[in-house]
Amino acid sequence: AQSVTQLGSHVSVSEGALVLLRCNYSSSVPPYLFWYVQYPNQGLQLLLKYTSAATLVKGINGFEAEFKKSETSFHLTKPSAHMSDAAEYFCAIVMNTGFQKLVFGTGTRLLVSP
Amino acid sequence: NAGVTQTPKFRVLKTGQSMTLLCAQDMNHEYMYWYRQDPGMGLRLIHYSVGEGTTAKGEVPDGYNVSRLKKQNFLLGLESAAPSQTSVYFCASSLTSGLTYEQYFGPGTRLTVT
Repeated sequence: AQSVTQLGSHVSVSEGALVLLRCNYSSSVPPYLFWYVQYPNQGLQLLLKYTSAATLVKGINGFEAEFKKSETSFHLTKPSAHMSDAAEYFCAIVMNTGFQKLVFGTGTRLLVSP
Repeated sequence: NAGVTQTPKFRVLKTGQSMTLLCAQDMNHEYMYWYRQDPGMGLRLIHYSVGEGTTAKGEVPDGYNVSRLKKQNFLLGLESAAPSQTSVYFCASSLTSGLTYEQYFGPGTRLTVT
């Protein structure tokens, strides 16, 4: 069965610093991976998705993620953090068991300080 | 386009009471989902529907029932609420379950059971 693991329940950065949120996956078939963002008191919004077309995926708000098969990773990065990036970020994988559904990681809360 | 809407936004129930959460989408999506979100556990799928008149169990279905009488609506019912059902509930919808699909989320319902 497919699964994702997010390392670090909280990540703190200063405004302008690099953002790196980690996600490792487990899958016996080529995975389809997503990053979602949840701003306070809101639903989830798609940041980006990997569907095997390109290993470097660019998303909204300056975020990108690189699929690395050798490391079974799909880490999310942004070169320069903004205060508005403070949110919870979820990695997710499509599970192929009959009906294809998303399985989410436990989330990483990004804190941005001035 | 309102996207995915959820009613109510907040609710407090006493143990043993019942309630229904309503999800509506105006994107003509076939698939709809109910998740619960608990701290440190990410999102877990409760029930889902692949079309009008169909429902299926997800990862954590016990204590919940659902109905999809109209394509645009997906109802989640709690027949006898328990404190363990205190959570934030999210509804989502998608066009298909294909490998490049995207789920669109509602703003959530915060439920407290005392």
